[in-house]
Amino acid sequence: EAQVTQNPRYLITVTGKKLTVTCSQNMNHEYMSWYRQDPGLGLRQIYYSMNVEVTDKGDVPEGYKVSRKEKRNFPLILESPSPNQTSLYFCASSLRAGVQFFGPGTRLTVL
Amino acid sequence: AQRVTQPEKLLSVFKGAPVELKCNYSYSGSPELFWYVQYSRQRLQLLLRHISRESIKGFTADLNKGETSFHLKKPFAQEEDSAMYYCALKVPNDYKLSFGAGTTVTVRA
Repeated sequence: EAQVTQNPRYLITVTGKKLTVTCSQNMNHEYMSWYRQDPGLGLRQIYYSMNVEVTDKGDVPEGYKVSRKEKRNFPLILESPSPNQTSLYFCASSLRAGVQFFGPGTRLTVL
Repeated sequence: AQRVTQPEKLLSVFKGAPVELKCNYSYSGSPELFWYVQYSRQRLQLLLRHISRESIKGFTADLNKGETSFHLKKPFAQEEDSAMYYCALKVPNDYKLSFGAGTTVTVRA
Protein backbone atom coordinates (compact mmCIF):
# COMPACT_ATOMS: atom_id res chain seq x y z
CA GLU A 1 0.00 0.00 0.00
CA ALA A 2 1.33 3.40 -1.03
CA GLN A 3 1.78 5.49 2.06
CA VAL A 4 3.76 7.87 4.21
CA THR A 5 4.61 6.62 7.68
CA GLN A 6 5.81 8.52 10.72
CA ASN A 7 7.22 7.35 14.01
CA PRO A 8 6.55 7.81 16.79
CA ARG A 9 2.92 8.85 16.62
CA TYR A 10 2.97 10.32 20.11
CA LEU A 11 5.93 11.60 22.08
CA ILE A 12 6.29 13.34 25.41
CA THR A 13 9.75 14.58 26.23
CA VAL A 14 11.56 17.16 28.31
CA THR A 15 13.28 20.37 27.33
CA GLY A 16 16.70 19.85 25.83
CA LYS A 17 16.50 16.12 25.18
CA LYS A 18 17.36 15.48 21.54
CA LEU A 19 14.77 13.60 19.54
CA THR A 20 14.16 12.38 16.02
CA VAL A 21 10.86 11.85 14.26
CA THR A 22 11.18 9.51 11.32
CA CYS A 23 9.31 9.77 8.05
CA SER A 24 9.31 7.21 5.30
CA GLN A 25 7.49 6.93 1.97
CA ASN A 26 7.26 3.97 -0.40
CA MET A 27 6.09 5.84 -3.51
CA ASN A 28 9.51 6.80 -4.86
CA HIS A 29 8.63 10.47 -4.47
CA GLU A 30 11.36 13.02 -4.94
CA TYR A 31 9.82 15.76 -2.87
CA MET A 32 9.32 15.49 0.89
CA SER A 33 8.35 18.07 3.46
CA TRP A 34 7.73 18.62 7.17
CA TYR A 35 4.94 20.78 8.60
CA ARG A 36 3.75 21.69 12.02
CA GLN A 37 0.07 22.25 12.72
CA ASP A 38 -0.96 24.65 15.46
CA PRO A 39 -4.45 25.92 16.33
CA GLY A 40 -5.23 29.16 14.55
CA LEU A 41 -2.01 29.02 12.55
CA GLY A 42 -2.77 26.16 10.23
CA LEU A 43 0.02 24.23 8.58
CA ARG A 44 3.42 25.83 8.46
CA GLN A 45 6.28 24.35 6.54
CA ILE A 46 9.43 23.61 8.50
CA TYR A 47 11.79 22.13 5.92
CA TYR A 48 11.49 20.50 2.55
CA SER A 49 13.63 18.39 0.28
CA MET A 50 13.57 18.28 -3.50
CA ASN A 51 15.69 15.13 -3.71
CA VAL A 52 18.44 13.20 -1.97
CA GLU A 53 20.94 15.52 -0.32
CA VAL A 54 18.90 18.59 -1.33
CA THR A 55 17.03 20.35 1.46
CA ASP A 56 15.83 23.89 2.11
CA LYS A 57 14.18 25.90 4.83
CA GLY A 58 10.46 26.46 4.96
CA ASP A 59 8.69 29.15 6.95
CA VAL A 60 9.59 28.05 10.48
CA PRO A 61 12.93 26.19 10.40
CA GLU A 62 14.38 27.49 13.69
CA GLY A 63 15.11 24.73 16.16
CA TYR A 64 14.85 21.93 13.61
CA LYS A 65 17.20 19.96 11.41
CA VAL A 66 16.57 17.51 8.61
CA SER A 67 18.55 15.16 6.44
CA ARG A 68 17.83 13.32 3.21
CA LYS A 69 20.37 10.57 2.75
CA GLU A 70 17.94 8.22 1.07
CA LYS A 71 15.02 8.99 -1.19
CA ARG A 72 12.47 7.26 1.01
CA ASN A 73 13.44 8.76 4.37
CA PHE A 74 13.30 12.31 5.67
CA PRO A 75 13.82 12.47 9.45
CA LEU A 76 13.10 15.57 11.50
CA ILE A 77 15.58 16.26 14.26
CA LEU A 78 15.08 18.48 17.28
CA GLU A 79 18.52 18.92 18.80
CA SER A 80 17.31 20.74 21.91
CA PRO A 81 13.51 20.75 22.06
CA SER A 82 11.71 23.56 23.82
CA PRO A 83 8.08 23.87 24.97
CA ASN A 84 7.21 26.11 22.01
CA GLN A 85 7.89 23.13 19.76
CA THR A 86 4.94 21.29 21.26
CA SER A 87 2.81 20.69 18.20
CA LEU A 88 1.37 18.22 15.73
CA TYR A 89 3.89 17.37 13.03
CA PHE A 90 3.14 16.09 9.57
CA CYS A 91 5.45 14.67 6.96
CA ALA A 92 4.41 14.72 3.30
CA SER A 93 5.76 13.53 -0.01
CA SER A 94 4.93 14.08 -3.65
CA LEU A 95 6.17 13.68 -7.18
CA ARG A 96 5.37 17.30 -7.71
CA ALA A 97 5.18 19.75 -4.84
CA GLY A 98 1.49 20.48 -5.33
CA VAL A 99 -0.23 17.13 -4.78
CA GLN A 100 1.17 15.92 -1.50
CA PHE A 101 0.54 12.72 0.41
CA PHE A 102 0.58 13.18 4.15
CA GLY A 103 1.64 10.96 7.00
CA PRO A 104 -0.62 10.30 10.00
CA GLY A 105 1.01 12.94 12.18
CA THR A 106 3.19 12.93 15.29
CA ARG A 107 1.91 14.66 18.39
CA LEU A 108 4.86 16.03 20.31
CA THR A 109 4.73 17.47 23.81
CA VAL A 110 7.82 19.12 25.24
CA LEU A 111 7.68 19.68 28.99
CA ALA B 1 5.97 36.34 -0.78
CA GLN B 2 2.77 34.50 -1.52
CA ARG B 3 0.12 34.28 1.16
CA VAL B 4 -3.11 32.34 1.60
CA THR B 5 -5.95 33.69 3.74
CA GLN B 6 -8.92 31.74 5.00
CA PRO B 7 -10.99 34.34 6.84
CA GLU B 8 -13.29 31.91 8.63
CA LYS B 9 -11.82 29.74 11.37
CA LEU B 10 -15.14 28.08 12.11
CA LEU B 11 -18.15 27.46 9.92
CA SER B 12 -21.33 25.79 11.10
CA VAL B 13 -24.12 24.85 8.73
CA PHE B 14 -27.18 22.65 8.80
CA LYS B 15 -27.36 19.44 6.81
CA GLY B 16 -28.70 20.12 3.36
CA ALA B 17 -27.73 23.79 3.41
CA PRO B 18 -25.14 25.24 1.04
CA VAL B 19 -21.63 25.73 2.34
CA GLU B 20 -18.92 28.03 1.05
CA LEU B 21 -15.38 28.22 2.40
CA LYS B 22 -13.49 31.32 1.42
CA CYS B 23 -9.90 31.37 0.29
CA ASN B 24 -8.02 34.42 -0.89
CA TYR B 25 -4.44 34.54 -1.98
CA SER B 26 -1.79 37.12 -2.69
CA TYR B 27 0.34 36.37 -5.72
CA SER B 28 0.62 38.33 -8.91
CA GLY B 29 1.28 35.45 -11.29
CA SER B 30 -0.51 32.20 -12.10
CA PRO B 31 -0.46 29.92 -9.09
CA GLU B 32 -1.74 26.42 -8.59
CA LEU B 33 -4.48 26.26 -5.98
CA PHE B 34 -5.58 23.29 -3.92
CA TRP B 35 -8.04 22.33 -1.23
CA TYR B 36 -6.97 19.75 1.31
CA VAL B 37 -9.27 18.16 3.89
CA GLN B 38 -8.61 16.56 7.25
CA TYR B 39 -11.40 14.44 8.70
CA SER B 40 -11.41 13.63 12.39
CA ARG B 41 -8.53 11.29 13.31
CA GLN B 42 -7.45 11.00 9.69
CA ARG B 43 -4.51 12.36 7.81
CA LEU B 44 -4.66 15.37 5.56
CA GLN B 45 -5.66 14.50 2.00
CA LEU B 46 -6.13 16.30 -1.27
CA LEU B 47 -9.75 17.23 -1.97
CA LEU B 48 -9.36 19.01 -5.27
CA ARG B 49 -7.08 21.22 -7.35
CA HIS B 50 -8.06 23.99 -9.69
CA ILE B 51 -6.24 22.48 -12.67
CA SER B 52 -8.47 19.41 -12.58
CA ARG B 53 -11.70 21.41 -12.72
CA GLU B 54 -13.52 18.46 -11.22
CA SER B 55 -16.11 17.99 -8.53
CA ILE B 56 -15.09 15.79 -5.62
CA LYS B 57 -17.67 14.67 -3.04
CA GLY B 58 -19.96 17.36 -4.42
CA PHE B 59 -17.42 20.13 -3.81
CA THR B 60 -16.30 22.55 -6.50
CA ALA B 61 -13.90 25.46 -6.48
CA ASP B 62 -13.27 28.07 -9.11
CA LEU B 63 -10.11 30.06 -9.43
CA ASN B 64 -10.93 33.74 -9.82
CA LYS B 65 -7.73 35.49 -10.78
CA GLY B 66 -9.38 38.90 -10.78
CA GLU B 67 -10.42 38.56 -7.16
CA THR B 68 -7.47 36.27 -6.32
CA SER B 69 -9.85 33.81 -4.73
CA PHE B 70 -10.44 30.06 -4.76
CA HIS B 71 -13.58 29.53 -2.73
CA LEU B 72 -14.82 26.01 -2.05
CA LYS B 73 -18.53 25.35 -2.45
CA LYS B 74 -21.03 22.58 -1.97
CA PRO B 75 -24.75 23.08 -2.60
CA PHE B 76 -26.00 20.58 -0.01
CA ALA B 77 -23.79 19.91 3.00
CA GLN B 78 -23.73 16.44 4.55
CA GLU B 79 -22.75 15.45 8.08
CA GLU B 80 -19.72 13.60 6.72
CA ASP B 81 -18.41 16.91 5.39
CA SER B 82 -17.54 17.96 8.93
CA ALA B 83 -13.78 18.40 8.84
CA MET B 84 -10.92 20.87 8.73
CA TYR B 85 -10.34 22.36 5.28
CA TYR B 86 -7.12 23.95 4.11
CA CYS B 87 -6.57 26.06 1.04
CA ALA B 88 -3.05 25.84 -0.39
CA LEU B 89 -1.06 27.61 -3.08
CA LYS B 90 1.96 26.71 -5.15
CA VAL B 91 3.75 29.17 -7.40
CA PRO B 92 5.43 28.14 -10.66
CA ASN B 93 8.97 26.83 -10.47
CA ASP B 94 8.87 26.61 -6.71
CA TYR B 95 8.58 23.50 -4.56
CA LYS B 96 6.95 25.30 -1.66
CA LEU B 97 3.30 24.79 -0.82
CA SER B 98 1.77 27.58 1.28
CA PHE B 99 -1.27 26.74 3.40
CA GLY B 100 -3.95 28.94 4.88
CA ALA B 101 -4.86 28.74 8.56
CA GLY B 102 -7.71 26.35 7.89
CA THR B 103 -11.49 26.39 8.37
CA THR B 104 -13.25 23.93 10.64
CA VAL B 105 -16.62 22.98 9.22
CA THR B 106 -19.35 21.49 11.36
CA VAL B 107 -22.47 20.19 9.67
CA ARG B 108 -25.37 19.85 12.07
CA ALA B 109 -28.29 17.49 11.62
